Amino acid sequence: DTAVSQTPKYLVTQMGNDKSIKCEQNLGHDTMYWYKQDSKKFLKIMFSYNNKELIINETVPNRFSPKSPDKAHLNLHINSLELGDSAVYFCASSQGAGIQETQYFGPGTRLLVL
Amino acid sequence: QKEVEQNSGPLSVPEGAIASLNCTYSDRGSQSFFWYRQYSGKSPELIMFIYSNGDKEDGRFTAQLNKASQYVSLLIRDSQPSDSATYLCAVSTPGAQKLVFGQGTRLTINP
Repeated sequence: DTAVSQTPKYLVTQMGNDKSIKCEQNLGHDTMYWYKQDSKKFLKIMFSYNNKELIINETVPNRFSPKSPDKAHLNLHINSLELGDSAVYFCASSQGAGIQETQYFGPGTRLLVL
Repeated sequence: QKEVEQNSGPLSVPEGAIASLNCTYSDRGSQSFFWYRQYSGKSPELIMFIYSNGDKEDGRFTAQLNKASQYVSLLIRDSQPSDSATYLCAVSTPGAQKLVFGQGTRLTINP
C-alpha cells in the first residue's frame, strides 16, 4: 500500500503552460505539505495544510496555487510555467502540525520546463 | 547565515568505518531535530529524530544534540555501501510549524 502518492511522476512541458500535480495520502494524517527540491538538492517548504486549511504559505510566486479538497488530498496548480520552476516537487504528510511530527514523503514529481 | 547548514560533501568513508555527519542551526529556539536519508532519485525517508540534549541510539545510527552549541550530528557505525546517500538535517521551531532543511551531505561508502 502506497502511503503518500503523487501523480504524475514525470512532467515535461513548455514555458507558459499551466499544469497540476496531485497528491493523496492514505495514512489518515491531518497535515499535508508541498516541498520544492532544486538541482542542488535543497528541499524547501512551499505550503502546508492542516485539515484542509492553509497554515503555511512561504514566499512562493502566486502562480502556484494549492488546493485541498479534503484532508487526504493536496493538489498543486502552477500557472504560466517558467524555466526556474524545473525541480522535483514532493508532497508529504504528518499526523498533525506539531513540531515533533514525523513527515512522510511521496515519491516526487519531476518537472522539467522547456 | 543559512538557517540550517550542512557540509555538502561528498564525504567518502571506507566500508566498516564510522561516518560522521554534522549540522548546525541558527535559531536557538529550535526544539526538534530530524535526520532524513535520500537515495538518488528517491524521496527523503526519516532515519532518526532527537529532541533532548545528548545521544540517541537506534541500531547502527546515533544522533547527538548539543543545543548550547546549536549543532546536531549523525554517526553511522559499521558503514555499509547501502548507506551511500544524501543525508538531510531538518530542524523545527515552535511557532514556525515547519521543517527547515539543510542542503544535505552526500555520503559515499567505499567497499
